[in-house]
Amino acid sequence: DIQMTQSPSTLSASVGDRVTITCRASQSISNWLAWYQQKPGKAPKLLIYKASYLESGVPSRFSGSGSGTEFTLTISSLQPDDFATYYCQQYNSYSWTFGQGTKVEIK
Amino acid sequence: QMQLQESGPGLVKPSETLSLTCIVSGGSIRSSSYYWGWIRQPPGKGLEWIGSIFYSGRPYYNPSLKSRVTISVDTSKNQFSLNLSSVTAADTAVYYCARHLTAAAAIDSWGQGTLVTVSS
Repeated sequence: DIQMTQSPSTLSASVGDRVTITCRASQSISNWLAWYQQKPGKAPKLLIYKASYLESGVPSRFSGSGSGTEFTLTISSLQPDDFATYYCQQYNSYSWTFGQGTKVEIK
Repeated sequence: QMQLQESGPGLVKPSETLSLTCIVSGGSIRSSSYYWGWIRQPPGKGLEWIGSIFYSGRPYYNPSLKSRVTISVDTSKNQFSLNLSSVTAADTAVYYCARHLTAAAAIDSWGQGTLVTVSS
């Protein structure tokens, strides 16, 4: 099984900050990586697919990069609506795995 | 716009089988563009993929749950289902049904989620 490790687990930041979250896969997954945002009591929302493709309707301050085993999600200028938990998710050979999540908190 | 809605009991006794159904509306489940899956989230914890299925193909399961999980599709009712047997308190979670994009392997549509509690 492919394991996904996100870092950090918690991140304290201020509005306007540039924020970067990292996700590492235990083996190469090419670019089969997605990023989601989840707010309390709500289902996750797709932000990025295939490592760097922005889902329709998602603000351009969100971006993704990486391939192989190391990936990043960047929020260029953190907005009040962005305080949430973020998850990466990999796909490989008909198996999907999520990272453990990164909570972005108000500093 | 396609919508997904979970239905099923909110309380299941230990050792029994958890059964949930996801009703798909606003589009056909018989689409080559999507897989249909189940994801769960224990209270206060992260997301765990349970399994997924193509409308005409075999299901795929999380290896850690494979011995207890069955996912099936009913194209006549435009819905798919989850059965999880021999449940324990560790299976208490919010269960989401979801739609995976086959071309991107990402989940672009989720049900609202349903809390299932395992307790006697």
